[in-house]
Amino acid sequence: DTGVSQDPRHKITKRGQNVTFRCDPISEHNRLYWYRQTLGQGPEFLTYFQNEAQLEKSRLLSDRFSAERPKGSFSTLEIQRTEQGDSAMYLCASSPPLGGLASPDTQYFGPGTRLTVL
Amino acid sequence: GENVEQHPSTLSVQEGDSAVIKCTYSDSASNYFPWYKQELGKRPQLIIDIRSNVGEKKDQRIAVTLNKTAKHFSLHITETQPEDSAVYFCAASNRQNFVFGPGTRLSVLP
Repeated sequence: DTGVSQDPRHKITKRGQNVTFRCDPISEHNRLYWYRQTLGQGPEFLTYFQNEAQLEKSRLLSDRFSAERPKGSFSTLEIQRTEQGDSAMYLCASSPPLGGLASPDTQYFGPGTRLTVL
Repeated sequence: GENVEQHPSTLSVQEGDSAVIKCTYSDSASNYFPWYKQELGKRPQLIIDIRSNVGEKKDQRIAVTLNKTAKHFSLHITETQPEDSAVYFCAASNRQNFVFGPGTRLSVLP
């Protein structure tokens, strides 16, 4: 499968614990996005990377959330001191670079990591 | 920041009828407007998109129209089939920041 992959697919944790999710974008996609989606809602933008640089971060992203993309390939999203309100599906998406054959605007989504905070 | 509204929130149509979903956006800097289909428990899948320099785009039974002046765009599905049943999301983007609408649950009744 050459699509966007995310790990783990499901995570159950207790309130107050830290969790980390991983996203592997499509090879050579230089832009990577993280979203949060709760039931019945559209994906909510969290942050955006171009290569290893984090260029955009939602005001909704509290200081308990941090994302990295150290080598411009895979990315991690960490949530510290989880709260029950953090329960959601966390989606990652990637987009191809400008100047290639594929449209640079198209986002390809991963399957998501479903987080449940007890 | 950008704000995207989407209507209706739910839509039921008879198989073979047409379905129309409308979205409005607020930020004139947005220049890319995709539509995603999401089935229960699955990832969003792009079904059609349009850029701000185009007024209409069609792909078989699916079409999207864009009115930049009024800041609204619409998804049109003709000859609906039961497999079109899903949640549909519109989005507005300036490439760095994608803002999604709240979604429309489409049910196609056989």
